[in-house]
Amino acid sequence: DAGVTQSPTHLIKTRGQQVTLRCSPISGHKSVSWYQQVLGQGPQFIFQYYEKEERGRGNFPDRFSARQFPNYSSELNVNALLLGDSALYLCASSLAVSGTDTQYFGPGTRLTVL
Amino acid sequence: GQSLEQPSEVTAVEGAIVQINCTYQTSGFYGLSWYQQHDGGAPTFLSYNALDGLEETGRFSSFLSRSDSYGYLLLQELQMKDSASYFCAVRREAGTALIFGKGTTLSVSS
Repeated sequence: DAGVTQSPTHLIKTRGQQVTLRCSPISGHKSVSWYQQVLGQGPQFIFQYYEKEERGRGNFPDRFSARQFPNYSSELNVNALLLGDSALYLCASSLAVSGTDTQYFGPGTRLTVL
Repeated sequence: GQSLEQPSEVTAVEGAIVQINCTYQTSGFYGLSWYQQHDGGAPTFLSYNALDGLEETGRFSSFLSRSDSYGYLLLQELQMKDSASYFCAVRREAGTALIFGKGTTLSVSS
């Protein structure tokens, strides 16, 4: 079975631009979460979606937005890019949102903002 | 606030046993997870503890003490391929997202 897939793998943008990152969860998984991982740090939670509805939001500015589609795939959008947005963006999927549901991570999208 | 503390680096030799500790302070606690991440790779799930005690999965074991807000990951019979970053992560409520520590870099030498 395919794991979580993300596209693109790498992306280079300049300050002020906008970017869209995509994620396809494991087949059968209905929840998708997005995390930002800066070099040398642990992943930081950005958004969680379940059944196309936002279930949680981390401490990120409104420049960050996301959505989940009927096929449970998801997009993360970041507007007005800043140098500090350079990071590895990870998508994680889980079956649902019950307490013990394990989150499985994709390989990430490496975003570089120049 | 939420905080998870774990050592930044640990070194060991092949065949040895190493323990990576994690202490947490969070508003709410539902369970403690451990993830492994190789350079440039995806975090890979290792184990999960919701109740006090030891969970064993092959060479890896994880322990939780809720009263002490403390857990650890125990890696036995270390191999070179175990060189990676290890993260503890707390789930504050059922179904919510994970809060990660800063990670522990494990270096295994021959």
